[in-house]
Order: sequence, then structure tokens, then C-alpha cells
Amino acid sequence: GQNIDQPTEMTATEGAIVQINCTYQTSGFNGLFWYQQHAGEAPTFLSYNVLDGLEEKGRFSSFLSRSKGYSYLLLKELQMKDSASYLCAVPRVVGFKTIFGAGTRLFVKA
Amino acid sequence: DTEVTQTPKHLVMGMTNKKSLKCEQHMGHRAMYWYKQKAKKPPELMFVYSYEKLSINESVPSRFSPECPNSSLLNLHLHALQPEDSALYLCASSAGGTDSGNTIYFGEGSWLTVV
Repeated sequence: GQNIDQPTEMTATEGAIVQINCTYQTSGFNGLFWYQQHAGEAPTFLSYNVLDGLEEKGRFSSFLSRSKGYSYLLLKELQMKDSASYLCAVPRVVGFKTIFGAGTRLFVKA
Repeated sequence: DTEVTQTPKHLVMGMTNKKSLKCEQHMGHRAMYWYKQKAKKPPELMFVYSYEKLSINESVPSRFSPECPNSSLLNLHLHALQPEDSALYLCASSAGGTDSGNTIYFGEGSWLTVV
């Protein structure tokens, strides 16, 4: 089966750095996604990792360790608009099903 | 801006009504999805169409009926819904294939309220 764990909520201060962790157990591996979802809106794609290491994209970076079944999303220079839910997601190796974690709600305070 | 468009954005319907949610994408994606999302929960997969054929039905009640008229369009027909079906319904698409082809692009969603 597949299982994804991520913290329920996190709070951080504007301008700071925050790391959102995700651990997963899957039968087979076909990459890991991070999505951002603002309240009342649809999820939007942030990053995709299929190889070990850090992928940097502006203020956001995503890290993957396949051997540890672990990923994190790193947000730098936090802004108020970064307050959102961050969903870790793992697609099945075969077929079109993607399993979403429950999401981490990030609150950025002034 | 999302390239997956959904209509209507908001829908209120009675339990005896028949209504439809519509979705369109022009990215040439070969897979299209319906997800249901309740507040503070992750999206739950309902249906997947691949090359216009239904490939996944996650044991969704028959009061939800999907339809894929062509490779760009996806509908969700609603009939005799229950108040607990009130949720955000998300249409999505992906290119298919391996690796980043699994990236799911969501529409803005249709907020459904069943009264």
C-alpha cells in the first residue's frame, strides 16, 4: 500500500525559513510532488523530484531521499502570501492514481 | 492562470435536482480526473479517464456519473445527491507517461452545495 505523513500545521514568521517534511511508504516509486493550496482555491504544482537531492526554484526548494522515503519543502524569505496548505503527493508506478498527503497548513505571521 | 477550466464555479442544488459540472483542457493531456475535496482534507480521487475511456472509478456512488465526450472535455453529472456530497469538486488533467508526465494540473474547482 501507500502512506504519506506530513505535519498538520506549522507557524513561521515573515522573512524566516521553514521546512515542511513528508515521509512516504510506497510499493515502487515514480517521483514525489509538492502542491500549494490557498484556502478556497485549487492546488497548484510547486515541484517534482524523482532523483535524490535538492531542487531549487526561487524561494522554494524541494529535497528527496529515496532510500529514507523522505522529502521536504523549504520555503525561504517567507511572505504572508505563503500562508497555505502544502500537499505532498506520490503517483502510483502504474496507472494514473496519485496519493495525496493530508497537507500541512502553514501560517505566516508578521 | 490554470489551463483547466471548470464551470460553474458555484452550484447550489436540491436533493432531487439533476445538474452537471463541466471541465475543459486544451493542453493535449491524455488523462483527465475528477477529485472531491472537503474542508481541511486532501483531494480524493473519484474518476480517471485515459484516452477518453474510464480507467479508474474509486467506488463512487452511482448518483455521480462521469462522461468524457472528447479528449478535451470532461463532465460530471449529478443526480439525487445528499447534503454530505457538498464539497469542492476539482477537475484535473495530466499528460500521462512517466515521471513529470504525472504532474496534475487542477482547475479552479466547482463549489457544490446540496440543500
